[in-house]
Amino acid sequence: DAGVTQSPTHLIKTRGQHVTLRCSPISGHKSVSWYQQVLGQGPQFIFQYYEKEERGRGNFPDRFSARQFPNYSSELNVNALLLGDSALYLCASSLGDRANNSPLHFGNGTRLTVT
Amino acid sequence: RKEVEQDPGPFNVPEGATVAFNCTYSNSASQSFFWYRQDCRKEPKLLMSVYSSGNEDGRFTAQLNRASQYISLLIRDSKLSDSATYLCVVNHAGGTSYGKLTFGQGTILTVHP
Repeated sequence: DAGVTQSPTHLIKTRGQHVTLRCSPISGHKSVSWYQQVLGQGPQFIFQYYEKEERGRGNFPDRFSARQFPNYSSELNVNALLLGDSALYLCASSLGDRANNSPLHFGNGTRLTVT
Repeated sequence: RKEVEQDPGPFNVPEGATVAFNCTYSNSASQSFFWYRQDCRKEPKLLMSVYSSGNEDGRFTAQLNRASQYISLLIRDSKLSDSATYLCVVNHAGGTSYGKLTFGQGTILTVHP
């Protein structure tokens, strides 16, 4: 069975550009979450989507947006890129929407470099 | 104050050693607790959940002290393959946060021959 798949694996962008990252959850999983991991830090929560609705939003500016499609795949969009947006972006899927009873399965991530 | 704080590490231990990681969390309403493992340039993977009564999985033992808001992970008989970053993770599960995991910064463990 395929795990969580993310694309692209690596990306280099220039300040001010926008980027779209994609995620396909494990088959049957209805929840997708996005995390940002800066080098040397733990992942930070950006968004959770469940059944195509936003269920949670972390402390990130409005430049960050996301959506979930009818097939439960998801996109993370970041506008007006800053150097500080350089990070590993992780997507995680789970069966349910509650982390206490539905373990998260992470994808390999997209490594974004902003120059 | 960070929501989840871990020992800064890094820890360098010989094979066979016992090593313990500690973690504190600030939100007393936190309900679920986990340890994740992250290998270099890989995604985090769930190592084990942490239950109030403490729990063990082979060489790994996790403890939770809700009164002190403290979580620990003990690794016995360390193997070279245990080398990784260990992430302490908390779920608040309140309001709209029930899907959100809050991660500590991670503690790097290196096990050497």
